[in-house]
Amino acid sequence: KQEVTQIPAALSVPEGENLVLNCSFTDSAIYNLQWFRQDPGKGLTSLLLIQSSQREQTSGRLNASLDKSSGRSTLYIAASQPGDSATYLCAVDGDKIIFGKGTRLHILP
Amino acid sequence: ETGVTQTPRHLVMGMTNKKSLKCEQHLGHNAMYWYKQSAKKPLELMFVYNFKEQTENNSVPSRFSPECPNSSHLFLHLHTLQPEDSALYLCASSQGGRRGAYEQYFGPGTRLTVT
Repeated sequence: KQEVTQIPAALSVPEGENLVLNCSFTDSAIYNLQWFRQDPGKGLTSLLLIQSSQREQTSGRLNASLDKSSGRSTLYIAASQPGDSATYLCAVDGDKIIFGKGTRLHILP
Repeated sequence: ETGVTQTPRHLVMGMTNKKSLKCEQHLGHNAMYWYKQSAKKPLELMFVYNFKEQTENNSVPSRFSPECPNSSHLFLHLHTLQPEDSALYLCASSQGGRRGAYEQYFGPGTRLTVT
């Protein structure tokens, strides 16, 4: 049974810092992995999707990597801004779609 | 309107009521999804539809009844719910079905409270 873990559960960093969010999964038989952000009381916004054959994807200040063999993905955020404050979720699409519990990120102005 | 819309945004219902949630996508996508987000639990996929056909039902109790009349509309009919069904219900859509290169786009959700 696939398990998806996101560590840390919460993170506070000063504005301007680069940071890395982690997502680990137990079953490497996946089709893709998607990163989302969720603002309080809102739906999810897609950030990046990495297919199983890919190693990384980039969009603006965001870079997501995927290492299937080790069951890990990272989301790198460069030059963080207060507007980046949100909960970041990863979702693994394998036999089922399984979400992590998320990392609650707070960027301090 | 653009994107994925959901109505109502908030719903309070008694355990004996019958109500329906509506989702509409304006993205020309072919797949639609219902998710449940409970406090302190990961997001859970409930149902998947692809080209109006249900392709997944993840052991959801029969008191939740989905309906997909066309690729743009998705409903979730609710009846005889329990207080533990209180949650944020999210709808999503994607160009193609699961297991591909298709990102999912989410609506804002319906906050459901069962009293």
